[in-house]
Amino acid sequence: AQSVTQPDIHITVSEGASLELRCNYSYGATPYLFWYVQSPGQGLQLLLKYFSGDTLVQGIKGFEAEFKRSQSSFNLRKPSVHWSDAAEYFCAVGARGSQGNLIFGKGTKLSVKP
Amino acid sequence: DVKVTQSSRYLVKRTGEKVFLECVQDMDHENMFWYRQDPGLGLRLIYFSYDVKMKEKGDIPEGYSVSREKKERFSLILESASTNQTSMYLCAIQRPNTGELFFGEGSRLTVL
Repeated sequence: AQSVTQPDIHITVSEGASLELRCNYSYGATPYLFWYVQSPGQGLQLLLKYFSGDTLVQGIKGFEAEFKRSQSSFNLRKPSVHWSDAAEYFCAVGARGSQGNLIFGKGTKLSVKP
Repeated sequence: DVKVTQSSRYLVKRTGEKVFLECVQDMDHENMFWYRQDPGLGLRLIYFSYDVKMKEKGDIPEGYSVSREKKERFSLILESASTNQTSMYLCAIQRPNTGELFFGEGSRLTVL
């Protein structure tokens, strides 16, 4: 069955510390991969996406993610977290070259300590 | 910039009322989606539409219907609202070829 797992429900980091949010997927073939961020009371905003090519992709707000085919993972990273990064983060996968629903993980809530 | 506009950010309705949530896009994309989001449950697909007057049920269509009379507008209808439909509702459009979704700001519905 197709699924996306974000093992960490809630993570707290100190401002200025590095961040890694985990995402593992189960899919029939290599999918398209996405990370979204949601601030409280808002919709989801696309942070970055992976379709093909370089497995390290850069996104907005200083985030990057690395696709590891052998581990079926697409972890999100940021070298130095800012207080404004406090939000909920969702990993999602979708079928290559086709349209239709994305499969979302249940999200990881990030809190940032001053 | 992609713009997905949801007509109401916050609504309070009473049990049994009919509720309309509207979503409008400015990108001329075919695919549009309605999700509900609840704590601990993530995003769940209610319905999606891949063209005018075309619709497909998602994972949780019970208690909901949709309407797409024009390409830019996709409406979610609660025929008779119930308290268990209190939730955040998110509309999204899908970019062709890449599949990425762009979301509206959400409509938070409270049913009393």
